[in-house]
Amino acid sequence: AQSVTQLDSQVPVFEEAPVELRCNYSSSVSVYLFWYVQYPNQGLQLLLKYLSGSTLVKGINGFEAEFNKSQTSFHLRKPSVHISDTAEYFCAVSKFNTGGFKTIFGAGTRLFVKA
Amino acid sequence: DGGITQSPKYLFRKEGQNVTLSCEQNLNHDAMYWYRQDPGQGLRLIYYSQIVNDFQKGDIAEGYSVSREKKESFPLTVTSAQKNPTAFYLCASSTRDRAENEQYFGPGTRLTVT
Repeated sequence: AQSVTQLDSQVPVFEEAPVELRCNYSSSVSVYLFWYVQYPNQGLQLLLKYLSGSTLVKGINGFEAEFNKSQTSFHLRKPSVHISDTAEYFCAVSKFNTGGFKTIFGAGTRLFVKA
Repeated sequence: DGGITQSPKYLFRKEGQNVTLSCEQNLNHDAMYWYRQDPGQGLRLIYYSQIVNDFQKGDIAEGYSVSREKKESFPLTVTSAQKNPTAFYLCASSTRDRAENEQYFGPGTRLTVT
């Protein structure tokens, strides 16, 4: 069975500090990986995605993520966070299976940036 | 501006009543999705549609129904059979129902049933 695990439910961090939000997945086949951000009472919007090629993916708002196939991880990083980065972040994995494909979302990590 | 609209933003209903949540997109996307979001559980797929007049059950379809009569519209009905309907509901769309395509989300509808 495929699953997506976001290792931290909440991450408090001070403004201008670096942050890493961790995501691990389980799959025996090739996958596509996504990070979405959700601001309070809003829908999700795409931060970045990995389809193939370079394992370091750059996204919007200064975020980047690194795909590590051997560790089945896709951690999200930002070198210096702002108050406005306070939001919930979701890792998602899509893979092909019999009859089509499936996208599974992690439970989310709430990033709280403090002044 | 292209995007997805969901209405209303907040919805209150009495137990035992059916309620329909609206989702409209002007992105010319073929695929549309409905998710339910509960605290600490991420997003769970209720129904999805790859093309007009066709839709498939997701992981938690029981107690829900959908229709896809127009490309732009994918309304979700929460029936009285849904045991725990209070949740945040998100509609999404993508160009095609393909694994590599990201999904575009609406702002959501928060449904409270008492």
